[in-house]
Amino acid sequence: QLQLQESGPGLVKPSETLSLTCTVSGGSISSSDHYWGWVRQPPGKGLEWIGSIYYSGPTYYNPSLQSRVTLLVDTSKNHFSLKLSSVTAADTAVYYCVRQYQLPPNWFDPWGQGTVVTVSS
Amino acid sequence: DIRLTQSPSSLSASVGDRVTVTCRASQNIFTSLNWYQQTPGKAPKLLISSASTLQSGVPSRFSGSGSGTDFTLTISSLQPEDFATYFCQQSFSTPRGYTFGLGTKLEI
Repeated sequence: QLQLQESGPGLVKPSETLSLTCTVSGGSISSSDHYWGWVRQPPGKGLEWIGSIYYSGPTYYNPSLQSRVTLLVDTSKNHFSLKLSSVTAADTAVYYCVRQYQLPPNWFDPWGQGTVVTVSS
Repeated sequence: DIRLTQSPSSLSASVGDRVTVTCRASQNIFTSLNWYQQTPGKAPKLLISSASTLQSGVPSRFSGSGSGTDFTLTISSLQPEDFATYFCQQSFSTPRGYTFGLGTKLEI
């Protein structure tokens, strides 16, 4: 059974870069059928797609975050990562990594358990 | 951006009730709509894809319908484990514009 696990600092200072890694187990990140992505959920709010990456490199970002987001994939370690620069308090959220089906309907499943990231000095 | 409006934002119901949650898109998205369930403190779980395709392992009391701009998620007979928040998500704006509704919280 495929499982995803997020890891990274839970506290980031304003203006710094948030860095998270998602480790995939029970399956290969080099799947031709899937993208790998990130979704976040600010406290008490809805879900926001951040971006998705294919194992061979094509990457898509939410236009509202594109200038600050970088996704990377490491097939040798079976993991992918998120970097979000110049963070502010508005970036405080639970961050989920997800597997995304690459063809319509492009669903997200499964999800990691989520990791809380707080932006504060 | 395609906006998804869910209604109601919260709903009180009882075990055994039939409930319906609505998701309205700001433009025609055909059947490019997925539904997720999120229980407190847990990650969302995919329930239904392409507006009406029930995912493997999801109880048959869940169903989805709709196309174009109006979609519904129906639970035919509420069970205690169904009290959760439900989100819709559109994938019409692939590959750069996936958006979610704000959620419907189903409470006892």
